[in-house]
Amino acid sequence: EVQLLESGGGLVQPGGSLRLSCAASGFTFSVYTMTWVRQAPGQGLEWVSTIRGSGGVTYYADSVKGRFTISRDDSNNMLFLQMNSLRAEDTAVYYCAKGETDWGQGTLVIVSS
Amino acid sequence: DIQLTQSPSFLSASVGDRVTITCRASQGISNYLTWYQQKPGKAPKLLIYGASTLHSGVPSRFSGSGSGTEFTLTITNLQAEDFAAYYCQQLNAYPLTFGGGTKVEIK
Repeated sequence: EVQLLESGGGLVQPGGSLRLSCAASGFTFSVYTMTWVRQAPGQGLEWVSTIRGSGGVTYYADSVKGRFTISRDDSNNMLFLQMNSLRAEDTAVYYCAKGETDWGQGTLVIVSS
Repeated sequence: DIQLTQSPSFLSASVGDRVTITCRASQGISNYLTWYQQKPGKAPKLLIYGASTLHSGVPSRFSGSGSGTEFTLTITNLQAEDFAAYYCQQLNAYPLTFGGGTKVEIK
C-alpha cells in the first residue's frame, strides 16, 4: 500500500524558512516522479513543484521559483521542499503526491507575523 | 503557461441527476488531462486520467471525454457521496496547471 506522510509544517514569520518532508513507502520511490501541490484556505489547488525520478530533473511554479527547492533522498524514500523567503500568500496546506494517483494528507504552513 | 478554465464554478444538483463539468485549455493539450475529486479536509483523489480513462476503483458513473482544448467530466446518477469539489489538471507541459474547480452541492 502506498503511503505518503508529510511533516514540517507550522507557523513561520514572513521572510522565514521552512523545510517540508514527505516520507514515502509501499512503492519503488526512486523511479517515480514526485510533486508538491498546495491549497490556500478556501481556495483551489496550485501545483508547486515536481522532481522526476532517476535523475531528478526539477520544475517550479513561477510563484515559488527562486525561493523553493524540491529535492529527494532516494536511499531513504524521502521527498523535501525547502521554502525560503516565505510570504503570506504561501499560507496553504501542502500535499506531496506520487504521480497523479497517490497523495499524502497534507501539512499546513501558515506565514504570519 | 496553459490556462484551464473550468465551468461552472458551482452547481447545485439532486441525487440521481446527471451533471457535466467542462474544462477548457488555452492551447491544445492532446489528452493530457486528469480529473480529481476533493472532499472538505481531504486530499484530492484521482478520478480520470488521459482525459477519459477511469482510475482503478472509481465508479463507472464517472466518465471523461475530450481532446485538444475542450474536456468534460460527466457524473450520471449522482450519489450523495459525489457532492464534492472537482478539479481538472493539465499534464501536457510545465508549469502544470489546475482548473479553478467546480463545487457540486446538494440542491
